[in-house]
Amino acid sequence: LAKTTQPISMDSYEGQEVNITCSHNNIATNDYITWYQQFPSQGPRFIIQGYKTKVTNEVASLFIPADRKSSTLSLPRVSLSDTAVYYCPSEGNKLVFGAGTILRVKS
Amino acid sequence: EPEVTQTPSHQVTQMGQEVILRCVPISNHLYFYWYRQILGQKVEFLVSFYNNEISEKSEIFDDQFSVERPDGSNFTLKIRSTKLEDSAMYFCASSDSNNYGYTFGSGTRLTVV
Repeated sequence: LAKTTQPISMDSYEGQEVNITCSHNNIATNDYITWYQQFPSQGPRFIIQGYKTKVTNEVASLFIPADRKSSTLSLPRVSLSDTAVYYCPSEGNKLVFGAGTILRVKS
Repeated sequence: EPEVTQTPSHQVTQMGQEVILRCVPISNHLYFYWYRQILGQKVEFLVSFYNNEISEKSEIFDDQFSVERPDGSNFTLKIRSTKLEDSAMYFCASSDSNNYGYTFGSGTRLTVV
């Protein structure tokens, strides 16, 4: 059964780059790797998705090594508004969310 | 940007009452989901729905729960006889593929008293 593991929390300061790593145990060959962001009392918001190597969009980059056993979400120059919970859910026929990583950005 | 719309945003109900939570998924999406999040806990999968039938359901989704797509736009979750432990945020999500990014709604906060 596919399962993901990520740090419980991280602290950062405004303007810094933040990297959050996720371990993907038993990831299936055809599964994508996705990351979501959640603010209090809101639904998870899709950030980025990739299969292999590096993907970049307007908010983040995603690095996936060749063995796909881990992924790293990179947030460039974080601001206070990036304080949220970040998830790398396991996939398959449905997303399965873990506890996520609480990112606290301080001024 | 297309949105998943959920109504109501907050519902208070008495234990034992039936509630229906409503969702309008993104119009060209084919896969629909319900999740719930008890306060302070993780987001839990309830059910997935595709081609007018349930694709998969979790252990939480027992006989008290049902889903329906009564027309071409709405997707509903019914809880037949609510219990105190059903109090949670309920999120609807949709996607155009079963392995691509989901779009979640802003949720319905259900409070059972």
